[in-house]
Amino acid sequence: GAVVSQHPSWVICKSGTSVKIECRSLDFQATTMFWYRQFPKQSLMLMATSNEGSKATYEQGVEKDKFLINHASLTLSTLTVTSAHPEDSSFYICSVLRGAANSPLHFGNGTRLTVT
Amino acid sequence: GDSVTQMEGPVTLSEEAFLTINCTYTATGYPSLFWYVQYPGEGLQLLLKATKADDKGSNKGFEATYRKETTSFHLEKGSVQVSDSAVYFCALSDKSSGDKLTFGTGTRLAVRP
Repeated sequence: GAVVSQHPSWVICKSGTSVKIECRSLDFQATTMFWYRQFPKQSLMLMATSNEGSKATYEQGVEKDKFLINHASLTLSTLTVTSAHPEDSSFYICSVLRGAANSPLHFGNGTRLTVT
Repeated sequence: GDSVTQMEGPVTLSEEAFLTINCTYTATGYPSLFWYVQYPGEGLQLLLKATKADDKGSNKGFEATYRKETTSFHLEKGSVQVSDSAVYFCALSDKSSGDKLTFGTGTRLAVRP
């Protein structure tokens, strides 16, 4: 069965509003989650590493004030796109590390965000 | 729907051995194909990609050729190093499914000195 639940699977919002995306680990505790962004026909871009109980580590070029990440519990990390603009339209995917550091990642099904 | 099947791990090799990790796919359209690498404790990094049939992606000594006739995108490296120890994911992106990435389950590679 699914190991990671990502919600919503798609969302349409108006420019200037904020959108929250949830990533939940099912049946296990995840201290580390990763957030990615995928552009059409492009590969993934790692946005940030989310660590439970501490601040997220953002990749270079990713605006942390625009993409707010909260990992308040061992089973939930959220990504909030604040003051969304049409150029923020993309797929956002989370992945979760389950077990040892060399264990394969598990992926959410992704969230398609469309900003009008 | 789209799917990616890759060989199960773990794969354990000695340093300088030849590596092959098999990957086959099912897609309704003409997908782009990717290999990603996950080093211990880290997120994914793109290793290589190919966007059309017969294209060869290559990076850091790794290669994979997009074979439409066999729907495969096997990853190869002629001489592995200990630093190549990681989990490798095959993935596809298909326009018919909205360009969303579909991943295989990952193959763990362990290289012994």
